[in-house]
Amino acid sequence: EDKVVQSPLSLVVHEGDTVTLNCSYEVTNFRSLLWYKQEKKAPTFLFMLTSSGIEKKSGRLSSILDKKELFSILNITATQTGDSAVYLCASTLNNNDMRFGAGTRLTVKP
Amino acid sequence: NAGVTQTPKFQVLKTGQSMTLQCAQDMNHEYMSWYRQDPGMGLRLIHYSVGAGITDQGEVPNGYNVSRSTTEDFPLRLLSAAPSQTSVYFCASSYFRGAYYEQYFGPGTRLTVT
Repeated sequence: EDKVVQSPLSLVVHEGDTVTLNCSYEVTNFRSLLWYKQEKKAPTFLFMLTSSGIEKKSGRLSSILDKKELFSILNITATQTGDSAVYLCASTLNNNDMRFGAGTRLTVKP
Repeated sequence: NAGVTQTPKFQVLKTGQSMTLQCAQDMNHEYMSWYRQDPGMGLRLIHYSVGAGITDQGEVPNGYNVSRSTTEDFPLRLLSAAPSQTSVYFCASSYFRGAYYEQYFGPGTRLTVT
């Protein structure tokens, strides 16, 4: 059974902290690993990863994939209250199907 | 561009009723999909379509039908609503970027089945 597992399920930090969100996957015919941020409504795209060891960066956010150990991490440095959201990771399968993890709810306190 | 639009925003149904959730996109994307999101379960793919006239099942297709007669529209039909279908439904439209589909999500429809 294809599955994506995220940890922790929720996290509370203070502004300025650095956080690491984890995503492990067990899927057949893996194509890519994607990260999304979901605030009040629809998810918005953050990163797509297909190759091991290549870090993707966007401002204070970065992500990396390990295809040998089947996991990805999302790092957020110098967190701000605007980073509070649910962070979802998803694996794209070879047949255009997708599997999402349950998400990590991040709360950043002032 | 309106992007991805969904109607209605909210809906309450009684068990056994049928209804159609509408989804439309104006970005000329070939790929469209429907997800449901339940607390603690992330997004689960219901059905998807890689182009007009082509649909396929995702992870949780039972109780739902789809059709894709045009590139723009991808309605989701609930044939006989059940309380287990209470959820938030997201439609997404995507274009292929070589290794993955970049998805644009609609605002969601919150459905309650009593």
